[in-house]
Amino acid sequence: GENVEQHPSTLSVQEGDSAVIKCTYSDSASNYFPWYKQELGKRPQLIIDIRSNVGEKKDQRIAVTLNKTAKHFSLHITETQPEDSAVYFCAATLSGSARQLTFGSGTQLTVLP
Amino acid sequence: EAQVTQNPRYLITVTGKKLTVTCSQNMNHEYMSWYRQDPGLGLRQIYYSMNVEVTDKGDVPEGYKVSRKEKRNFPLILESPSPNQTSLYFCASGQGQGTDTQYFGPGTRLTVL
Repeated sequence: GENVEQHPSTLSVQEGDSAVIKCTYSDSASNYFPWYKQELGKRPQLIIDIRSNVGEKKDQRIAVTLNKTAKHFSLHITETQPEDSAVYFCAATLSGSARQLTFGSGTQLTVLP
Repeated sequence: EAQVTQNPRYLITVTGKKLTVTCSQNMNHEYMSWYRQDPGLGLRQIYYSMNVEVTDKGDVPEGYKVSRKEKRNFPLILESPSPNQTSLYFCASGQGQGTDTQYFGPGTRLTVL
């Protein structure tokens, strides 16, 4: 089955700096890669996703890049703000295959004022 | 309002006492899933369901049962809970086969003494 590794497990940045979280996956057939944000005490919520037919996707201050050859994808947050502090999870699966979504272990991002 | 609900939100029980955590969604989603979240381990899938009467095991199904008799409901059953099932549980639903946006419930914090 799919295995997703996520690094780092914790990340602290100064407000206004950029943050990068990286994930690698094991199954080369996977083609759907979502990112979820979980604020303290809240449920995970989708913030951005990417499919393997594109290499990069942006939504305001967040972007995701995908390297299918190397089997890794990354979340980039620019101009970080205190409200970006949360746990971020990456995930991977094969779209349309009835396979489960496999999550990484999460990254605790802290934005220091 | 479109939502996923879970009950109860908090539960303290004793080893061996059967319990059920309910999950309901009002978005007419085909896909529903249960996850458990433990520190450092991320979100691990317990069971998922592609549609009514269709369920399948995730990564950590041991000690759990599910049923999908109606499209909107997907209860999680612990026949004989043990302390290692102490965890935060999330139900989620989504369109299609789970590879579109998944909407999470608010979570159920279970403690088994």
